[in-house]
Amino acid sequence: DQQVKQNSPSLSVQEGRISILNCDYTNSMFDYFLWYKKYPAEGPTFLISISSIKDKNEDGRFTVFLNKSAKHLSLHIVPSQPGDSAVYFCAASARNAGGTSYGKLTFGQGTILTVHP
Amino acid sequence: KAGVTQTPRYLIKTRGQQVTLSCSPISGHRSVSWYQQTPGQGLQFLFEYFSETQRNKGNFPGRFSGRQFSNSRSEMNVSTLELGDSALYLCASSFDPNTGELFFGEGSRLTVL
Repeated sequence: DQQVKQNSPSLSVQEGRISILNCDYTNSMFDYFLWYKKYPAEGPTFLISISSIKDKNEDGRFTVFLNKSAKHLSLHIVPSQPGDSAVYFCAASARNAGGTSYGKLTFGQGTILTVHP
Repeated sequence: KAGVTQTPRYLIKTRGQQVTLSCSPISGHRSVSWYQQTPGQGLQFLFEYFSETQRNKGNFPGRFSGRQFSNSRSEMNVSTLELGDSALYLCASSFDPNTGELFFGEGSRLTVL
């Protein structure tokens, strides 16, 4: 039972355009969402996160949108650069009353983003 | 500041053997988590340690175990290896468990023959 789904295995965009990566979740207990980027032969690198009390969070070229009613989040990269080419993972956590997930993140299967020069 | 260090990076074992993987977290990080990454199942949570105590555990059989030392370094052990245990094992450390922001190492690639 996949609680976090990234339905697009791959995405190809032109340099300078917008990249939109999507993620759906099923567990209503998830209250914190993160995006990670992974290059080959490296571990995942944290990119951006959003709490369930917000619907948008921006950090430079990266913006994450959260639609709780639809259980959907998306990552926008504007403008896309060739160096953004990597695997992007959506992750979610269900923090307990104390506010910690104790290291447990539930990951999606990842989307391979390719940005063409 | 040094990142999360995992050793060994690559190893090959045969079915029935056991393996121990090591992880040194970022200095000052007391939480260490372990994940298994396979092509079919993606990244799956194994367990998390904080101050030498296991606080959380994923849905893996008892063959998978771990521990954390007083210096926050952690080891995970897999006994009676099966072919399906072939995977990339990732360790992640965290300073603030409230953020969910984990810093991952490069992983240990285990191949079971």
